[in-house]
Amino acid sequence: GIQVEQSPPDLILQEGANSTLRCNFSDSVNNLQWFHQNPWGQLINLFYIPSGTKQNGRLSATTVATERYSLLYISSSQTTDSGVYFCAVEIPRAGSYQLTFGKGTKLSVIP
Amino acid sequence: KAGVTQTPRYLIKTRGQQVTLSCSPISGHRSVSWYQQTPGQGLQFLFEYFSETQRNKGNFPGRFSGRQFSNSRSEMNVSTLELGDSALYLCASSVRDSRERGKNIQYFGAGTRLSVL
Repeated sequence: GIQVEQSPPDLILQEGANSTLRCNFSDSVNNLQWFHQNPWGQLINLFYIPSGTKQNGRLSATTVATERYSLLYISSSQTTDSGVYFCAVEIPRAGSYQLTFGKGTKLSVIP
Repeated sequence: KAGVTQTPRYLIKTRGQQVTLSCSPISGHRSVSWYQQTPGQGLQFLFEYFSETQRNKGNFPGRFSGRQFSNSRSEMNVSTLELGDSALYLCASSVRDSRERGKNIQYFGAGTRLSVL
């Protein structure tokens, strides 16, 4: 099956710093989503980005589908950005939606 | 529009028991998927239902089953619980966006945290 690798596994930042999270995937994908898992366990949608670049406030994401990687940028980090960030991909498979997740990047933002 | 609703939020069971978890998708969404999250295995796909039919199943034993009703609500059942079934169970719903071919965004509920003692 498809492999999804995220790096780094852990990241500690001072408040106000910038960071880049990476997601590599081993095959062509239909769908790529970035999620933030809050302390209560809910997965919050950040971006749907199978290709191209998107921005939402302090967050932006870029996916280069031909090179099979995606990047999530967090600028001017805040303590509320802490949590685990997951990349998930969906492979082309007729008629079914199945996301394969990476192991996540655990981000800790300290004041 | 209400989000994906999962009930109950927390559950404690003992080995050998069975459990049923419920998921109500976002209104208008017809696809419901279930995922298991554990510290060791991460997030793993269980199964996906669309219009009351199971379309895809992950690599889990037959003790894990599910169904979907005509209103798109879904339940998953785990029989003969084992300690290793302790996990966060997440449900996601989605609809294929006709404005952009192939676009599918999955929205997750808050999860049910199951503890097996």
